[in-house]
Amino acid sequence: GAVVSQHPSWVICKSGTSVKIECRSLDFQATTMFWYRQFPKQSLMLMATSNEGSKATYEQGVEKDKFLINHASLTLSTLTVTSAHPEDSSFYICSARETGYEQYFGPGTRLTVT
Amino acid sequence: QKEVEQDPGPLSVPEGAIVSLNCTYSNSAFQYFMWYRQYSRKGPELLMYTYSSGNKEDGRFTAQVDKSSKYISLFIRDSQPSDSATYLCAMSAAGRRALTFGSGTRLQVQP
Repeated sequence: GAVVSQHPSWVICKSGTSVKIECRSLDFQATTMFWYRQFPKQSLMLMATSNEGSKATYEQGVEKDKFLINHASLTLSTLTVTSAHPEDSSFYICSARETGYEQYFGPGTRLTVT
Repeated sequence: QKEVEQDPGPLSVPEGAIVSLNCTYSNSAFQYFMWYRQYSRKGPELLMYTYSSGNKEDGRFTAQVDKSSKYISLFIRDSQPSDSATYLCAMSAAGRRALTFGSGTRLQVQP
């Protein structure tokens, strides 16, 4: 149980284009979903927290107009990187929680912007 | 000072050894404690989840929480090369949605 999927697992896009990443909880309803960014050999950096049907709460320093988060249902959240630039290249990971404090993570999406 | 401190390693051990991974924290409000395992280029996988102080065992893994010392540990018995990964501790306080993570310890189990 507690499986979270992400799609796509990797994506290459050109500078200036937008990319959408989907995060789904497959066997539970996620009251809260989280989006993280991770650079090589570094820990997870929380970008934003979202509850179903509400606006996301962004961490300090994360541009909400650049990283659009939509949590349309209890099983789906999307992260759209708008007008992507090479510095946005990173590993993006989502997680979801039901009612407890533990989070279940997706497999991650590797974004490369050329 | 970070809220959660974790030695980044790498920690290298021979196959079959007992591994001890640790985190210290400063926020006495933390009550929920987790250990995650992350393989390279993968999302973290929840290994252990404990509430408040005490021990919890699951197969080869044992999690210990000492709230009086603000110290948590993960023990891995009979370590295997497949245990080679980065181990992240994470914790939360009541009413808080987000987790606070340690920086992760890279473990290498040599065959």
